[in-house]
Amino acid sequence: DAKTTQPPSMDCAEGRAANLPCNHSTISGNEYVYWYRQIHSQGPQYIIHGLKNNETNEMASLIITEDRKSSTLILPHATLRDTAVYYCIVRSADDKIIFGKGTRLHILP
Amino acid sequence: DTAVSQTPKYLVTQMGNDKSIKCEQNLGHDTMYWYKQDSKKFLKIMFSYNNKELIINETVPNRFSPKSPDKAHLNLHINSLELGDSAVYFCASSFLQGDGYTFGSGTRLTVV
Repeated sequence: DAKTTQPPSMDCAEGRAANLPCNHSTISGNEYVYWYRQIHSQGPQYIIHGLKNNETNEMASLIITEDRKSSTLILPHATLRDTAVYYCIVRSADDKIIFGKGTRLHILP
Repeated sequence: DTAVSQTPKYLVTQMGNDKSIKCEQNLGHDTMYWYKQDSKKFLKIMFSYNNKELIINETVPNRFSPKSPDKAHLNLHINSLELGDSAVYFCASSFLQGDGYTFGSGTRLTVV
């Protein structure tokens, strides 16, 4: 079973920051938090990952709480092409990535 | 120059047939995976191979047999296809315990 909990859907206005929350209260000390997204029927796309510190790349920022029990993915300026299902995943020590139901993000024009 | 390529993209076949899906990655990754996405859109891991060695084998019927001739290829062979095997199958690759997976574009299998 997935070790994460996400809201099933969210809306965000185009051009605004999209903040996607994720709870992973049972995460272990050496487990990373990964974010992927799946646009329509394409293969999932890696976005970002982190362990303890906040991370930023060209796609997004990842904010992890100090107790590591939750995190937020931030898309700074959402566009219509960011409409997708976003998955928050805890990568286990045995390298198994278990996908949950994800959050369906709708970007509104 | 696709990073992870799967063939075929679509596969329609009759119950009872045997079929294979091929996957190749040119990223130099040492680990490859097969995932199944069912009609409810759940993505479930089936297998993973590291340097041609099986390291994850989830509860998958033994009609499904992965084969890794080298670390750049992981093929999925399915015997005696059933209606419930209809799904989209995704291949992926990564460095073991490294960065994120790179997924292929999927193979939509329809069993009729």
